[in-house]
Amino acid sequence: QKEVEQDPGPLSVPEGAIVSLNCTYSNSAFQYFMWYRQYSRKGPELLMYTYSSGNKEDGRFTAQVDKSSKYISLFIRDSQPSDSATYLCAMSRNDYKLSFGAGTTVTVRA
Amino acid sequence: GAVVSQHPSRVICKSGTSVKIECRSLDFQATTMFWYRQFPKQSLMLMATSNEGSKATYEQGVEKDKFLINHASLTLSTLTVTSAHPEDSSFYICSAPGNHEQYFGPGTRLTVT
Repeated sequence: QKEVEQDPGPLSVPEGAIVSLNCTYSNSAFQYFMWYRQYSRKGPELLMYTYSSGNKEDGRFTAQVDKSSKYISLFIRDSQPSDSATYLCAMSRNDYKLSFGAGTTVTVRA
Repeated sequence: GAVVSQHPSRVICKSGTSVKIECRSLDFQATTMFWYRQFPKQSLMLMATSNEGSKATYEQGVEKDKFLINHASLTLSTLTVTSAHPEDSSFYICSAPGNHEQYFGPGTRLTVT
């Protein structure tokens, strides 16, 4: 069993729709939870960073963490074609080593 | 935000040769850097932790004699792929930790022919 599970998709939505992404994990030692966006042949860029259970909102992005269920989510509201990318969840203990999900490829259709 | 650069951005080499990839933190010092590998349509897999002034630590299954890491200074880590084979063809990405986040380089695409 992988430490971090993420459905690779692909996921295709019309412009303006809400994109819903999620990951599950098995290691209860994970304390920090992140979502990265990666465009083709580029390095990942950090979108959201959370530490505790609950919701965190930043513009059109909302990250949710449920440590009791070992489940994290990312929601993108009012999606735009420029949001088309691969979204990776990542998590770490307190040692900066990141464990990544497989990544979900998202296409937002104009 | 902090910037991490990598050089080269892409490289093609012949099987059996060695290739060096550089990772630099441009506006901050990094005593630790991480090297990841990403195969097509797959996620990033941590290969090793580069430590300034000491030996790198490798993740399980990563050959330390094949992937040589040198953390020469507080702003530079290098990954050398020795005796490269076609199965080493991949996207190699480095990162350096900042305050609560990792700063990733743009990646180096290695193709071994």
